[in-house]
Amino acid sequence: QLQLQESGPGLVKPSETLSLTCTVSGGSISSSSYYWGWIRQPPGKGLEWIGSIYYSGSTYYNPSLKSRVTISVDTSKNQFSLKLSSVTAADTAVYYCARHMTTVVTDHFDYWGQGTLVTVSS
Amino acid sequence: DIQMTQSPSSLSASVGDRVTITCQASQDISNYLNWYQQKPGKAPKLLIYDASNLETGVPSRFSGSGSGTDFTFTISSLQPEDIATYYCQQYDNLPPKSPLFTFGPGTKVDIK
Repeated sequence: QLQLQESGPGLVKPSETLSLTCTVSGGSISSSSYYWGWIRQPPGKGLEWIGSIYYSGSTYYNPSLKSRVTISVDTSKNQFSLKLSSVTAADTAVYYCARHMTTVVTDHFDYWGQGTLVTVSS
Repeated sequence: DIQMTQSPSSLSASVGDRVTITCQASQDISNYLNWYQQKPGKAPKLLIYDASNLETGVPSRFSGSGSGTDFTFTISSLQPEDIATYYCQQYDNLPPKSPLFTFGPGTKVDIK
């Protein structure tokens, strides 16, 4: 059974960089047809897709966050990571990593991590 | 950008009731629409993909329909374990545009 687990600091200071890692177990991050994404959810609010990466390193980002986001992959560790720079209180959220199956006819998030709360505060 | 709206924003129904949630896209998205269930404190769970396909292992009381701009999600007989917030999500991954995923605002379902 595929499992995803987020890890990283739960508290980040304003203007600093948020860094999270998602470790994939029970399957290979190098599988074809799958992208690996980050989604966040501010407390009490809805879901926002941040960006996604393929095992080859190909990335695409939400235009609203693109200038501050970097997603990378380490296939040797079966991990992918998120960096979000210049954070403010508005970036406080539960951050989820997820797998999405991507083909010419479908694209859906089928496996999710449990999520990790990141609070931006001094 | 494609905007997604959902209605109602919340509803209360009795066990055994038929529950219907609608999701509307601001432009034609064909069948590029997924539905997720999120229980409090948990990650979202995929229920329906490509508007009408039931994800493996999901009970058959859940269903989806629609295409273009108007979509419907139905629980045929509401169960206590269905208490959750339901989100629609559209995907726009046709070249040459860069892929983009947008979630609806959610519908909170409670037991009356």
